Amino acid sequence: KNQVEQSPQSLIILEGKNCTLQCNYTVSPFSNLRWYKQDTGRGPVSLTIMTFSENTKSNGRYTATLDADTKQSSLHITASQLSDSASYICVVSAANAGKSTFGDGTTLTVKP
Amino acid sequence: EAGVAQSPRYKIIEKRQSVAFWCNPISGHATLYWYQQILGQGPKLLIQFQNNGVVDDSQLPKDRFSAERLKGVDSTLKIQPAKLEDSAVYLCASSPRGGVSEAFFGQGTRLTVV
Repeated sequence: KNQVEQSPQSLIILEGKNCTLQCNYTVSPFSNLRWYKQDTGRGPVSLTIMTFSENTKSNGRYTATLDADTKQSSLHITASQLSDSASYICVVSAANAGKSTFGDGTTLTVKP
Repeated sequence: EAGVAQSPRYKIIEKRQSVAFWCNPISGHATLYWYQQILGQGPKLLIQFQNNGVVDDSQLPKDRFSAERLKGVDSTLKIQPAKLEDSAVYLCASSPRGGVSEAFFGQGTRLTVV
């Protein structure tokens, strides 16, 4: 069964600090992995998408890594800001039939 | 480019009542998705349309949920009758082709069933 597990479930950090969110998956065959940011009361917005051949991709202060061998991905946030407070969702898509599996997200709270 | 539009933003109904949600996808997007997101969880796919045909509705509770996409553009999702456990955010997303990796999400409709 395809699964996506995210950790931690929630995280509180101080403004300006860095943090790393984890995503482990069992989706196979793998097609791509996407990190979404979901602000409270809003729909998810894509941050990065990674395919099998990519192991690092950056989008501003967000850097995603992918290890396709261990089936792990991480999202690193540098110099956090109050606006980074949100839920971060990992979505892994399978190559066959294009089905996607969503993680339950990590809720990040950045405090001043 | 206009995004995915959903309405209403919020809805409160009593159990056993019916409710309908509306979604207008990004112009030209062939694929439309409806998701249910329960508080603290990731979105769960309810139904996927390709143009006006259903691609996947395996997780749609068909005894109470129905959805249609007329003319391959706008879509409505209906719940009749509603149960307390239907309280959730209902997200609509669209993508140019298939594959949620390209999808853009609307802001969602928050449903509270009391």
